[in-house]
Amino acid sequence: GAVVSQHPSRVICKSGTSVKIECRSLDFQATTMFWYRQFPKKSLMLMATSNEGSKATYEQGVEKDKFLINHASLTLSTLTVTSAHPEDSSFYICSATTDSYEQYFGPGTRLTVT
Amino acid sequence: SQKIEQNSEALNIQEGKTATLTCNYTNYSPAYLQWYRQDPGRGPVFLLLIRENEKEKRKERLKVTFDTTLKQSLFHITASQPADSATYLCALEADSWGKFQFGAGTQVVVTP
Repeated sequence: GAVVSQHPSRVICKSGTSVKIECRSLDFQATTMFWYRQFPKKSLMLMATSNEGSKATYEQGVEKDKFLINHASLTLSTLTVTSAHPEDSSFYICSATTDSYEQYFGPGTRLTVT
Repeated sequence: SQKIEQNSEALNIQEGKTATLTCNYTNYSPAYLQWYRQDPGRGPVFLLLIRENEKEKRKERLKVTFDTTLKQSLFHITASQPADSATYLCALEADSWGKFQFGAGTQVVVTP
């Protein structure tokens, strides 16, 4: 149980285009989903906290107009990187949680912007 | 926010030995602390959670301790196996419910 999927696993896009990443909890309903990005050999950096039906809460320094988060249901959250630039290239990971304090992570999405 | 320190140098250990990893933090003591395993190119996998009123927690070959006086958690892998090779992250409850701050992780390499 507690499986979280992400799609796509890898994406290459051209500078200036937008990319959507989906995060789904497959066998449970997630009260909260989190979006992280991770650089090589660095810690996970929390970008935003997403609750179903409400606006996402962004961490300081994260541009909400650049990283659009939509939490449409208790099993789906999407992150859209708008007008992507090469510096947005990173590993993006979502996690989902219920009330148990455990976070269940997706497998991650490798974004490369050329 | 916290400053979380995990040893950045890889821990190389022989199969069968015990691997011990440290997680030190600088500010407030969190209500609970977690340990995760992360394999290259994959998302972290939850291993153990320990609360501030618990000194020790065990799960199979894993053991975690939590010392709020020292502001430190130790993570032990006993009878280590090559399959235990991965990066291990500690995560501390941040300032809001369910929100965590992660350390950079320590890589463990278990050789046969």
